[in-house]
Amino acid sequence: DAGVIQSPRHEVTEMGQEVTLRCKPISGHDYLFWYRQTMMRGLELLIYFNNNVPIDDSGMPEDRFSAKMPNASFSTLKIQPSEPRDSAVYFCASSLGTGEAFFGQGTRLTVV
Amino acid sequence: AQTVTQSQPEMSVQEAETVTLSCTYDTSESDYYLFWYKQPPSRQMILVIRQEAYKQQNATENRFSVNFQKAAKSFSLKISDSQLGDAAMYFCAYRSRRSGNQFYFGTGTSLTVIP
Repeated sequence: DAGVIQSPRHEVTEMGQEVTLRCKPISGHDYLFWYRQTMMRGLELLIYFNNNVPIDDSGMPEDRFSAKMPNASFSTLKIQPSEPRDSAVYFCASSLGTGEAFFGQGTRLTVV
Repeated sequence: AQTVTQSQPEMSVQEAETVTLSCTYDTSESDYYLFWYKQPPSRQMILVIRQEAYKQQNATENRFSVNFQKAAKSFSLKISDSQLGDAAMYFCAYRSRRSGNQFYFGTGTSLTVIP
């Protein structure tokens, strides 16, 4: 397996634009997590899914953020409209019901 | 909710020496996993080592080993014969063995390796 695949690796966008981050989890994993990492706040859990169903979205900062998992092999995190304070590295990770999480390489988002 | 505490924001070690990174956690559960992840400048999060709470034996992976003290809720990482490539941010993490639980991460320890 190629591991967790995220795209794009880097994204630069203007304030107010819509941004969509994509994630393909490891085949067979039934948990998917979205994290945001910044120097100030560290690694924050935004939302996680089990069997494509959102379990906990309490970490989603605002209504501008939304996440979907239409099937077991794909998830998106959307920010609309984007703001400079959304600039961060966004990680997707997947796992089985127990054991470790496997992380993608992250998307570095810059909102100017 | 469970909490994971890494009290050392930064550590440094001379190349070839040994360093220990500290981690404590708070939980009322008896069955869980603990992990150490490494994040080098490339930003990829890499699993270093994992420990299952029901196992009394401390986990070891080559130069990396842990000191798991369940009663004290302590989970430290020892890196022996430190190498330049060990320089990274290290995160301690907790996960319950109950199905459906998320991961809880510490704030990280930045390790510098001095040549």
